[in-house]
Amino acid sequence: QVQVEESGGGVVQPGKSLRLSCAASGFIFSVYGMHWVRQAPGKGLEWVAGTGYDASDKGYADSVKGRFTISRDNSKKTVSLQMNSLRVEDTAVYYCARDGAAAGNDAFDVWGQGTTVTVSS
Amino acid sequence: DIQLTQSPSFLSAAVGDRVTITCRASQGISNYLAWYQQNSGKPPKLLIYATSTLESGVPSRFSGSGSGTEFTLTISSLQPEDFATYYCQHLKSYPRNFGPGTKVDIK
Repeated sequence: QVQVEESGGGVVQPGKSLRLSCAASGFIFSVYGMHWVRQAPGKGLEWVAGTGYDASDKGYADSVKGRFTISRDNSKKTVSLQMNSLRVEDTAVYYCARDGAAAGNDAFDVWGQGTTVTVSS
Repeated sequence: DIQLTQSPSFLSAAVGDRVTITCRASQGISNYLAWYQQNSGKPPKLLIYATSTLESGVPSRFSGSGSGTEFTLTISSLQPEDFATYYCQHLKSYPRNFGPGTKVDIK
């Protein structure tokens, strides 16, 4: 079935790096934009980064610009989030989500279960 | 950047009540607005996209309307499984910001 699954979360010290991955299955990955959304403990949803279907169009939240990089590998059906210079305030559950525009659903129509990132000394 | 506000931030309602949540954008976003439902500890679930189009499988008691800068999500008759937090999101441009959320609680 159509699904995405995140991996790579963990506990990391401030200033360190972490790389999250999202594996897609059940759909033609190469025609869909993909995004990362995070949710800090007890807080709302925060869009983090997104990439178009061919990686030519990327965007970042101001809070992560210059520190996080989104990339995708259409041959492996994966999207990644390289997180550098991590801060305590980056602690959150990170969700991978599909942009359903290619299916006519101009919204995030498929979500993973999330992976937890904790930044702490 | 386009910012979204939601009102109310919290509402208490009973089963069977009609509930309306408002989302306002800081600038016009045409109909590029979606609504999500999130239960505690779960990922968000898409309810409505393009302002008023119901995602497949979503009950018809949910509806959306609006255009430009003001949008609404209406639940015509609140059911026990509807007690959750609701978020709007614009899809007009980067960053694809979410609203701060509206928690719907049991009266």
